Amino acid sequence: RKEVEQDPGPFNVPEGATVAFNCTYSNSASQSFFWYRQDCRKEPKLLMSVYSSGNEDGRFTAQLNRASQYISLLIRDSKLSDSATYLCVVSGGGADGLTFGKGTHLIIQP
Amino acid sequence: NAGVTQTPKFQVLKTGQSMTLQCAQDMNHNSMYWYRQDPGMGLRLIYYSASEGTTDKGEVPNGYNVSRLNKREFSLRLESAAPSQTSVYFCASSEWASWGETQYFGPGTRLLVL
Repeated sequence: RKEVEQDPGPFNVPEGATVAFNCTYSNSASQSFFWYRQDCRKEPKLLMSVYSSGNEDGRFTAQLNRASQYISLLIRDSKLSDSATYLCVVSGGGADGLTFGKGTHLIIQP
Repeated sequence: NAGVTQTPKFQVLKTGQSMTLQCAQDMNHNSMYWYRQDPGMGLRLIYYSASEGTTDKGEVPNGYNVSRLNKREFSLRLESAAPSQTSVYFCASSEWASWGETQYFGPGTRLLVL
């Protein structure tokens, strides 16, 4: 059974701080990796894809470690609007789509 | 371009009642999905449709049926609702690119079964 594990948190972080969280995945054949963001009572939305070489999008940096089978997300200079649940998502490339972690709850405090 | 739409937004059912959750996408995607999301459980795949005319079971299909009516529409039916089916239901469609698959979600249907 494919699994994606995340620390559920919550992570309580002061505004302006840097926060990082990881997730691990069990299926070594996984091909694609993503971070989705989900606001309270809303649908999940793609935050960023995670590339093998690592990638950055503004204040967000994602890293992939295939050998250890984990993915990380780093948020710099955190804003109040970053408060959300962050879902780690893995794809095996099959027709059955994506496997979602249960999410890490982040609370940015003023 | 509305993306993925779902109806209804909220529904209350009594045990044993039936209902159909509707989902439509206007992005010309081939693949569509139904998930349920429960506290502490994350998103779990109920059924998916890789293309028009095909449907397959996901992780938690029991108690549900689906219909891929055409490329745009993918409905989820509860024939005899049970309290265990109280949940938030999300429909999604996906596109494939060089980096992999991106799924786009509808706003969800909040279902309470009494």
